Parts: sequence; structure tokens; C-alpha cells
Amino acid sequence: DAKTTQPPSMDCAEGRAANLPCNHSTISGNEYVYWYRQIHSQGPQYIIHGLKNNETNEMASLIITEDRKSSTLILPHATLRDTAVYYCIVGAGGTSYGKLTFGQGTILTVHP
Amino acid sequence: EAGVTQFPSHSVIEKGQTVTLRCDPISGHDNLYWYRRVMGKEIKFLLHFVKESKQDESGMPNNRFLAERTGGTYSTLKVQPAELEDSGVYFCASSRDYPTGELFFGEGSRLTVL
Repeated sequence: DAKTTQPPSMDCAEGRAANLPCNHSTISGNEYVYWYRQIHSQGPQYIIHGLKNNETNEMASLIITEDRKSSTLILPHATLRDTAVYYCIVGAGGTSYGKLTFGQGTILTVHP
Repeated sequence: EAGVTQFPSHSVIEKGQTVTLRCDPISGHDNLYWYRRVMGKEIKFLLHFVKESKQDESGMPNNRFLAERTGGTYSTLKVQPAELEDSGVYFCASSRDYPTGELFFGEGSRLTVL
């Protein structure tokens, strides 16, 4: 699986948009970009995933560059409860889609 | 809909003892995964069941770890004998069918080996 690079930490003010970048320059054509987060010591929580097109759901938006070498996760109105470690993961679909390679992630701190 | 549940939430055992962790996936989810995070390290994939069959067990660290999923419902992960380096949090996750989608993780079972 392709490796991802994320900043170790970021801050965001409550109510503002949080934009979390991720580089995945070695991504291959059939690999997806997944975002998960881990709040405190809970189990990881799925946020969103995409292949080529931008995606949006009730939690976030995922913007993938045209060359697919990087992406940005956007939390449109961050709240204190969004403070967590955010993981950008590149992985295959099909039978291997649940085999995720977690890196260090980005620690997002949302402050009042 | 009940989420993925794991038992026990925390287990403390002596080195050399045996521990069995249990995972109940979301009903109807054929795919079940085990992951773990040991102290200071990243979350690592251990193995993947499709129903009762092991699809991928490439992440299992050694033969002291045995995972089963009898009948394709709940799964157990046994560590025998436990070593100090096995301490960490063991996560279970489940998912629906392919080709892609989300994994639903449980809260984890924290294992402390003394």
C-alpha cells in the first residue's frame, strides 16, 4: 500500500473549518483514500473515503487533487468533540479493503 | 443497531498466562478484523475473517496468537502464553461486503501483561 504523510499536529478554532492535508504521492490507480479518526482511547471511527472524485457526507468533505497525489479532509465547522487523531490511509478496494495501514496521523486540537 | 462489542474491556494477566478476547461484530457483517496497538506504536492489522474463514492472517505476530470465528458470528483471539510485549489495545472491526466501505470498530480490549 502507498505510504501517506501527514503533519503531526494542527490547531483549529471552534466553529471554523479544519483542513487536514495528506500526501500520498505513490498512490496507485486502484487505491482509495480513507480517513479515520480516533477520539481519545476509543476505537477508530470511519469518516469518509474516495477514489478520484471529491466526496462529502454528514461529517466531512474529502478533496482529492486531480493527480491523486494529495488530499484534504475538511471538517466544515469544527467542534471541541472533533479533537482527535486523524488518519489518512491509502488502501486497495476489493477483498483487501479492510486491511488498513495506520500511520502516526495528525493530532487535531480544536480550541474554544 | 448494536455496534461492535468487545470483551473484556480490560484484562490484567501474568506473563505466561492465557487470555481470550472476544468480539461480537455487527449483525450481518461477514467481514471481521482484528487490529492492535502496542505501547507507543501504530495501530496494526492482525487478520481478516470472511464469515468463518481466514481471508488474511498476515499480520499475526507469531504462533502464540490464535483467532477463531466459529459459525461466522463472534470471534475470539487467544494469546497463549502471553508475553510482556503483548500488552496493548486490541481492536475488532466488522464490515459489510466489498468492494469498499467503512469499518466499524469496537472500543477495544486493553491487555496488560505483568
